[in-house]
Order: sequence, then C-alpha cells, then structure tokens
Amino acid sequence: NAGVTQTPKFRILKIGQSMTLQCAQDMNHNYMYWYRQDPGMGLKLIYYSVGAGITDKGEVPNGYNVSRSTTEDFPLRLELAAPSQTSVYFCASSYKGDYGYTFGSGTRLTVV
Amino acid sequence: QQPVQSPQAVILREGEDAVINCSSSKALYSVHWYRQKHGEAPVFLMILLKGGEQKGHEKISASFNEKKQQSSLYLTASQLSYSGTYFCGTNPNQGGKLIFGQGTELSVKP
Repeated sequence: NAGVTQTPKFRILKIGQSMTLQCAQDMNHNYMYWYRQDPGMGLKLIYYSVGAGITDKGEVPNGYNVSRSTTEDFPLRLELAAPSQTSVYFCASSYKGDYGYTFGSGTRLTVV
Repeated sequence: QQPVQSPQAVILREGEDAVINCSSSKALYSVHWYRQKHGEAPVFLMILLKGGEQKGHEKISASFNEKKQQSSLYLTASQLSYSGTYFCGTNPNQGGKLIFGQGTELSVKP
C-alpha cells in the first residue's frame, strides 16, 4: 500500500517554462488536495477535488490548473513558471471530507 | 480566513507538558491537528468535529470549544519524538478543504 505518491521529488524550472506535478493515491480516497508550503510557513491550499470530474479553487489558485479524470490521479499543472512559484508542493487525500489527510512526500520546485 | 496559532515556538525538556492553541475568527465545523518534522510531510494526529466527536491519537489529546472557535492540543510527558512543527487546519463547513494555521515549532530537549 503506497499511500500518496508524488513525482518528481525535485525539479528546477526556468522562468516561463511549464510542468505537471503528478499525484496518485491507491487508498480509494474521494477527496484530493494540492497545497504549497513556502519556507518557514504554513500550508496554502491551491486546488482541491471531491471526486473524479469535480475540482475547485483554494486560497492561491493563480498560475495553476488541475484536472481529476480518475479517482486515483490529481495532477497539478504550472503554466509559465515564475520565481514566486518556488515552493514545496504537497498533494494530500482523504477518504471523505471530515477524515484525516494523508500527505505525499512533496515536490521541491525551484524556478530560476 | 487563516486560523492563528499560539505560541509560535516552544522549547521543552523531556517529560514536560505543552499546550498549543488554535483560534479562528469564523465558526468552525472541524479542526485537524498535524505534526511535520523537518524535511518531511505533515502527519495526521487528530480531528475534532462540531458536536464533540473526537478521533485520533492515543498519547496526545485535544479540545474544541465551538463557542469560542478555538482548539487546543495537549502534549503530556513530552518525548524527544514530539519535536516538530504542529499545524492546525480548520474548516467552517462540513467536508474537506482545510485552511491551515502558520504552525507552532516544538523542540523537546533531553
């Protein structure tokens, strides 16, 4: 049972490039989330999904896009990377809305 | 709106107790607590729901005062393994979408 798997673990992007952060869970969780964490700070919600085909914006959605075509996968797309998107990105999932979250190990992204 | 945690940091000796508080300006349905060690992902500790239901961890307890929109996490007889940053996450509605506080850094010394 792998839990929540994020790839890649590290990535360096140049300004203006695009990339997709992958997130997959094998726990049959309905809810999935993307958070970013800047150094020494808390977690900011980017997007979330309550099931396949349903997504909604969080606190800081600008510059990002998501899709949820299956229960298992919830990729995060960065378009036109900017230095302000340098951060650690965590994907998480939960069985239902009021259950504890399981987090992936994170993707450390640097935009130069 | 982001919940406010206090204190921002605390240093303990092994065996001492600590309380971490989480306050919101909005009425809350649920409060979650997580611990994050340096360089690792947050790990779920406990959830408290409106109406008093509590689910979570054996050695760490928490309270939820719905009227005051506050939650407190109690760590008793602290161990070295308790060190890390503790985050509360709050949700004013039933189901999903937590907003996290800024974190409380806890250091337990031998």
